[in-house]
Order: sequence, then C-alpha cells, then structure tokens
Amino acid sequence: SQQGEEDPQALSIQEGENATMNCSYKTSINNLQWYRQNSGRGLVHLILIRSNEREKHSGRLRVTLDTSKKSSSLLITASRAADTASYFCATSNAGNNRKLIWGLGTSLAVNP
Amino acid sequence: KAGVTQTPRYLIKTRGQQVTLSCSPISGHRSVSWYQQTPGQGLQFLFEYFSETQRNKGNFPGRFSGRQFSNSRSEMNVSTLELGDSALYLCASSWGGGSLYNEQFFGPGTRLTVL
Repeated sequence: SQQGEEDPQALSIQEGENATMNCSYKTSINNLQWYRQNSGRGLVHLILIRSNEREKHSGRLRVTLDTSKKSSSLLITASRAADTASYFCATSNAGNNRKLIWGLGTSLAVNP
Repeated sequence: KAGVTQTPRYLIKTRGQQVTLSCSPISGHRSVSWYQQTPGQGLQFLFEYFSETQRNKGNFPGRFSGRQFSNSRSEMNVSTLELGDSALYLCASSWGGGSLYNEQFFGPGTRLTVL
C-alpha cells in the first residue's frame, strides 16, 4: 500500500483560484517531497520539507507538514493553466530497506 | 547542464523477450534510481544505485535487474517480459545522499509496450 496518499484524487479550478491538495502517510518520516508531472515537462521536483519543518514556500507554492497528524498539504496560489498536472507526494517507509514510496497523485486541471 | 537522458524513448517487445533500458544521469550525480509507472499502481520504486552499488531495492521479481557503471550511467534489464511489464520506466538522478534525502531529477522515461 502507498505510504503517501493524496487527496483529492482530482481537482478542477478556474485560473486565478487557489488549489490545495493533501497527502497523508503512515509511518514516521525524515522528509516529505512533492513532485509535479505533466506531459510537457515530465516529473519535476517541487519542494522537500524536512520532518522538523512546519512550512516551506517556493514561489506560488506553500507546503505545510503536520507530523502529529502525519499529513502534508500543498497550496498553489493564483493558479495558471500551466499548473495543470498531476501532483505527487513521496515519503520513505520505515525499517531497514528504506525507499521512496509515492502516492497515486492528485490530478489538477486549471481551466482558463 | 544537460538533464537526465534515457534511451530508448519507446520500445515494443513481445512476451518472453528481454529488454535493456539505459539512463545517463546529470553530470556529478552519483545516485540513480529507477521507477515503474502504471495507471493502476502509480510510481513504484525498482532500485537505487550509488557508486556502482545497489543501495535499495523495491518489491519486484528477480526478472528486474540493474547495474551502474563507473561513470554513474545505469542500465536496467527486464528478462522474460510479461504483459504486465508494460509501463513507463523512469530514471532519476540525485546527489550522493540519494532519493530519500535529496531532490531527484527525472528523465523523460522509456515507454515499454509488451505484446
């Protein structure tokens, strides 16, 4: 099963609106990463937030992390049509054979 | 600086055949990871290499194997192909700390179709 699970599965908004997507995970983590994938630019890293951080910004992106609730959220402000993509969170599992585990993603459509 | 390159971009094979995919990481990156992406299962980790050594392995059968060369280039091989192996195979490179601790840079992927 996925370590990270994004919610909602799909989101459709108008250009200029804000988009919020959430990620929940099961085990303790060192960090949580958000990625975006679209047909034009492939899979691209957005933000890495460490377990001792609560909030991180990058341009129009804001990521929060709540380790007590084992959840993270990605906020995209003033969305653009170019933000149309699938957004994934990735975290590592616990144990010895640690690896990055990905959610199934949130599909975001920004309508002009 | 050139990005991660993967060859070939598209591949069509038949069941029972084997395939080798290649990945050239960003210059200076010593960690290379491979992923399989399908609509139903999403992105699944295959393995990660650092300095020619496999650092981690995902839950895939032994038909999936990989290696890394001294110049950090990596290959993955799938033997005895099955229909379910049809997927987009993505390679990613990162700095030495690897995928768990660093931003990964992904290649465009190899689209494998097994008939």
